[in-house]
Amino acid sequence: EDKVVQSPLSLVVHEGDTVTLNCSYEVTNFRSLLWYKQEKKAPTFLFMLTSSGIEKKSGRLSSILDKKELFSILNITATQTGDSAVYLCAGTSGSARQLTFGSGTQLTVLP
Amino acid sequence: EPEVTQTPSHQVTQMGQEVILRCVPISNHLYFYWYRQILGQKVEFLVSFYNNEISEKSEIFDDQFSVERPDGSNFTLKIRSTKLEDSAMYFCASTYLSGSSTDTQYFGPGTRLTVL
Repeated sequence: EDKVVQSPLSLVVHEGDTVTLNCSYEVTNFRSLLWYKQEKKAPTFLFMLTSSGIEKKSGRLSSILDKKELFSILNITATQTGDSAVYLCAGTSGSARQLTFGSGTQLTVLP
Repeated sequence: EPEVTQTPSHQVTQMGQEVILRCVPISNHLYFYWYRQILGQKVEFLVSFYNNEISEKSEIFDDQFSVERPDGSNFTLKIRSTKLEDSAMYFCASTYLSGSSTDTQYFGPGTRLTVL
């Protein structure tokens, strides 16, 4: 059974801090790993990673995948209160299209 | 920017009743999904739908569940006889099948289903 594990489960930081969120996966015939941000309701797409070692960047957020060690990290620099959310990691495998989600990391950024 | 929409935002029903949750995927997307998230738990895959038929389904998606694309825009999830444990947030998602974005699923805002 495919499994995605995220750590930490929750994190409280102050504005301006840098955070690193972790995602490890055991996905049969792995194809891609996706990061989403979930605030009140819908998960909002952040990144899709398919190749090892290639950093994807969007503003203060960046992410990288290590297919040898089966993990990914999501970095957020200079955090702001608006970054407070649950960050979800999900994997896809083989020809199957469903996403297997981790439990998420609840990030709280205090002013 | 195009987005997935879902109605209603909140549905309250009595145990044993049928409910239909509605979704309008992004217009040029071809692959559609339903997920659910029980409060405090992971987002779980239910079913995917392509070319007017179910492509994959999870163990959760038993005979009580069905999906349909009744017209060119709507995608529905029906639960025939709701149980208390069906209470959850139900998300619809869609994907555009082309190039490098084939795995990126775009989610709707969800329907919170409460079964009493």
